[in-house]
Amino acid sequence: DTAVSQTPKYLVTQMGNDKSIKCEQNLGHDTMYWYKQDSKKFLKIMFSYNNKELIINETVPNRFSPKSPDKAHLNLHINSLELGDSAVYFCASSQMGLAEQFFGPGTRLTVL
Amino acid sequence: SQQGEEDPQALSIQEGENATMNCSYKTSINNLQWYRQNSGRGLVHLILIRSNEREKHSGRLRVTLDTSKKSSSLLITASRAADTASYFCAITMDSNYQLIWGAGTKLIIKP
Repeated sequence: DTAVSQTPKYLVTQMGNDKSIKCEQNLGHDTMYWYKQDSKKFLKIMFSYNNKELIINETVPNRFSPKSPDKAHLNLHINSLELGDSAVYFCASSQMGLAEQFFGPGTRLTVL
Repeated sequence: SQQGEEDPQALSIQEGENATMNCSYKTSINNLQWYRQNSGRGLVHLILIRSNEREKHSGRLRVTLDTSKKSSSLLITASRAADTASYFCAITMDSNYQLIWGAGTKLIIKP
């Protein structure tokens, strides 16, 4: 009964490849997020979706494309992976109007 | 952009002692939250304090907020080895509840 789940947990791939990370939440929340945490532990918002609509789109290369098929899912597709994309990516969800966010366990992406 | 800053960056104390972490920010806020991140895990919400509140308690946690100084502190009393983690503050500035995060304090509790 995991609240926010992500797959895969680890992803090791070569530069130039395309990969996807999936996120699902079973909390009934209407808002989902993708964050990137770098090696210094800085946590940076990338995208946020509310009811399947994009509401936050920070300065992120357009190689990153989020897709929200429904309110419970927010997937992240990354094209032409670069070394600098190596990081831990976290999915989170919340209910709009309530500030607390619930995080997934993270996906550690390593680009070789 | 990073608007929250925690200090210290790292803190190592003996089990049973109290741990205090601070967070400073640069703008007016709606609320401020503290989260914990255990190694290799996602973040877990600990406590939220609204801009019109000055102090809040939850178990062994005590959070204070001084909006005039734009700062908050998180106090963990009677620390335990299981409190070893990174602690992050996050602020919200407007009604869309986008969180702006600090860089975190790494807390190590020595048994």
